[in-house]
Amino acid sequence: EDKVVQSPLSLVVHEGDTVTLNCSYEVTNFRSLLWYKQEKKAPTFLFMLTSSGIEKKSGRLSSILDKKELFSILNITATQTGDSAVYLCAVAFSGNTPLVFGKGTRLSVIA
Amino acid sequence: GAVVSQHPSWVICKSGTSVKIECRSLDFQATTMFWYRQFPKQSLMLMATSNEGSKATYEQGVEKDKFLINHASLTLSTLTVTSAHPEDSSFYICSARPPSGRPQAYNEQFFGPGTRLTVL
Repeated sequence: EDKVVQSPLSLVVHEGDTVTLNCSYEVTNFRSLLWYKQEKKAPTFLFMLTSSGIEKKSGRLSSILDKKELFSILNITATQTGDSAVYLCAVAFSGNTPLVFGKGTRLSVIA
Repeated sequence: GAVVSQHPSWVICKSGTSVKIECRSLDFQATTMFWYRQFPKQSLMLMATSNEGSKATYEQGVEKDKFLINHASLTLSTLTVTSAHPEDSSFYICSARPPSGRPQAYNEQFFGPGTRLTVL
């Protein structure tokens, strides 16, 4: 059975801290791994990763994929209270099949 | 990025009534759309895959007669919650997959903003 596991499930940090969120997967027919941020509404897209070792960066957020060890990390540097959200990792497969989501990491950034 | 809309954004209804939620891809044609449900503090749960012009594929445990899905065009899928009950109260989110090779294909799926359903 395809599986996506995120850790930690929740995390509380202070503003300015750096956090690393983890996502490991065991799937067949892997195509890409995606990170989303969800606040009070629907998830918003952060990154899509398809190749190992190539870091994707957007402001204070960055992510990288390791297809050999089957995991990805999402880094957030200099965290702000606005980064508080649930961060979802999902895996896409070859073909027209649905994404498989992890349970998410709930990040709380306190001032 | 690509835009997916949902309507309504929230709805309150009485127990026993039916509620229709629309999901539209605004700037691309989507042969496949997905419907998710999310309860408070839980992750997204896939309910069904909606394929244009054919029957939806439902996930295990999702009643197809209760959650009717129609994907009649390449830009519109609808989810009808029939005879809604309080336990159906949830956040319903659709997503659409852009065709491969299109500029929108930097993302696998684009989510709509969600519909919060409250059944009294």
